[in-house]
Amino acid sequence: SQQGEEDPQALSIQEGENATMNCSYKTSINNLQWYRQNSGRGLVHLILIRSNEREKHSGRLRVTLDTSKKSSSLLITASRAADTASYFCATPTGGFKTIFGAGTRLFVKA
Amino acid sequence: EPEVTQTPSHQVTQMGQEVILRCVPISNHLYFYWYRQILGQKVEFLVSFYNNEISEKSEIFDDQFSVERPDGSNFTLKIRSTKLEDSAMYFCAGRQGPPDTQYFGPGTRLTVL
Repeated sequence: SQQGEEDPQALSIQEGENATMNCSYKTSINNLQWYRQNSGRGLVHLILIRSNEREKHSGRLRVTLDTSKKSSSLLITASRAADTASYFCATPTGGFKTIFGAGTRLFVKA
Repeated sequence: EPEVTQTPSHQVTQMGQEVILRCVPISNHLYFYWYRQILGQKVEFLVSFYNNEISEKSEIFDDQFSVERPDGSNFTLKIRSTKLEDSAMYFCAGRQGPPDTQYFGPGTRLTVL
């Protein structure tokens, strides 16, 4: 698999439920970032977790990072219809670029 | 809060024509990037730019592509002779330093006919 692969590829839940998305990566990282993209729109930065952090919260978002397994998860609690979007994890490489995964498409039904 | 801006929001061009996509990064950012996203696919790195030169580029960024920051504020991506497969969303991004958060612009949708 490529650097920054999310699963599931698509997730459909009811409003109020929690949504969990996972990301795996291959190389060592300094940090990992999660972005949201509404259909046809730009990328919105959600949260950055550094390699020495295991968990981070921001509002209804909770991100975990397990560097031993090279994986991260994004949990959205009490989801809303407005959370419907694609979610990407992104990992900076040792150079200048950031590698994005293919994303998880989340659909929250009202 | 400062934002990255991009113009135009949508550009339609004929195959073989030159296009210039423009970005105004956040003023205190030092590292600049272009990414593209073909419809329904992942965001792909094109090029990074630091200290007025390209610091890294992908295999996508061939001789048809160029970038410049002519006046210290605008950051442009030029495609010399567009191909149908260049149709995509192009995102500009910037950051203060490599470990920091990248801030993305809203994107320019390029349609090559």
